[in-house]
Amino acid sequence: DAGITQSPRHKVTETGTPVTLRCHQTENHRYMYWYRQDPGHGLRLIHYSYGVKDTDKGEVSDGYSVSRSKTEDFLLTLESATSSQTSVYFCATESGPPAYEQYFGPGTRLTVT
Amino acid sequence: DAKTTQPPSMDCAEGRAANLPCNHSTISGNEYVYWYRQIHSQGPQYIIHGLKNNETNEMASLIITEDRKSSTLILPHATLRDTAVYYCIFGSGGSNYKLTFGKGTLLTVNP
Repeated sequence: DAGITQSPRHKVTETGTPVTLRCHQTENHRYMYWYRQDPGHGLRLIHYSYGVKDTDKGEVSDGYSVSRSKTEDFLLTLESATSSQTSVYFCATESGPPAYEQYFGPGTRLTVT
Repeated sequence: DAKTTQPPSMDCAEGRAANLPCNHSTISGNEYVYWYRQIHSQGPQYIIHGLKNNETNEMASLIITEDRKSSTLILPHATLRDTAVYYCIFGSGGSNYKLTFGKGTLLTVNP
């Protein structure tokens, strides 16, 4: 498995506060992704990155921003957390050609009260 | 919205083969079929992928129909640790490659 770590693993925060989740990889993969997972919705893509400083939106990007200043780190920021952002967040990297398989981190459980 | 159709749940006896079906009738010619699984509370895990031909690796086998509209993931000798949600996905890889996960199939392996 690719070396993907996420921090923090658990976080409880209050509505209106900013929150940053970090994803770190040691595989030098070009593509990185942030997903959220909620009961009844499966995994949904928030943002993805196709290189340093190159990012784009996924299907549920409202209320989230990302940054990638180094190949190994991909940050997800909730500028002003809301209760609807309570979720489990997964980071993933992609191996590239020919298989393009994605490797997922262990997840961050975020609770917004 | 998910573009694949999978049964919501299946059961399998330990040691027997588990055959998980998936319909992906809208798949394009250059799109791969991918299978992932998610064991409770963990991140999804890549299992196998294929384009046209059947594929086998140390985890599973993938059978893709000739028209590519459906596939079957085979776990040859299921164990209790194979209990998980299995996702069938298709995509073309590379730039703008984004996986769309549906609700998958919950496979329960019983002793």
